[in-house]
Amino acid sequence: ETGVTQTPRHLVMGMTNKKSLKCEQHLGHNAMYWYKQSAKKPLELMFVYSLEERVENNSVPSRFSPECPNSSHLFLHLHTLQPEDSALYLCASSQDWAGRGRYEQYFGPGTRLTVT
Amino acid sequence: AQSVSQHNHHVILSEAASLELGCNYSYGGTVNLFWYVQYPGQHLQLLLKYFSGDPLVKGIKGFEAEFIKSKFSFNLRKPSVQWSDTAEYFCAVGSYNNNDMRFGAGTRLTVKP
Repeated sequence: ETGVTQTPRHLVMGMTNKKSLKCEQHLGHNAMYWYKQSAKKPLELMFVYSLEERVENNSVPSRFSPECPNSSHLFLHLHTLQPEDSALYLCASSQDWAGRGRYEQYFGPGTRLTVT
Repeated sequence: AQSVSQHNHHVILSEAASLELGCNYSYGGTVNLFWYVQYPGQHLQLLLKYFSGDPLVKGIKGFEAEFIKSKFSFNLRKPSVQWSDTAEYFCAVGSYNNNDMRFGAGTRLTVKP
């Protein structure tokens, strides 16, 4: 498979559940990102990893916990979420961290998360 | 705080009309500028980018954008839209000086046949 893949595509969870989102990139990139996409709001950058080291964490609540075991895989662990966390969560990758240089990002299809 | 502003949330046009979507940013210094597009049911994908040189850049599907440094703007244009241009368009700005990357809120474009 090519590009950036995300699983699951849809997730419904209660506020007391623990779940994880998975992202995999097949592009040989060094940087991976998690974004939150909510209606009528800017795409929110949550976390950035470059060569498996976190380089950006934009004041994201601790109920979101990222993990980057290698440059091809990125996880977002979720626990005790709130209904306002319902959104589309996008994963992206780029050759290197786009805040440092001329790197376009490649996006996955997203995981539609609903917190009940 | 640094920001990227897209002034129009939803634009509705008829086919063959001209399009201009605004994007303004608040970063000083050197910036890398992008427009991404999200067609219905598809991934976000790059439409065009500007790093340096000619401030008028051309992208896929007849789109172009102009970087005006003095206005901190990077507006997207297309002379004649098609129904297939119906999508959401996102402006993004990378700032080397600030080690930052931000997207705008997006503009939804609806083109009526």
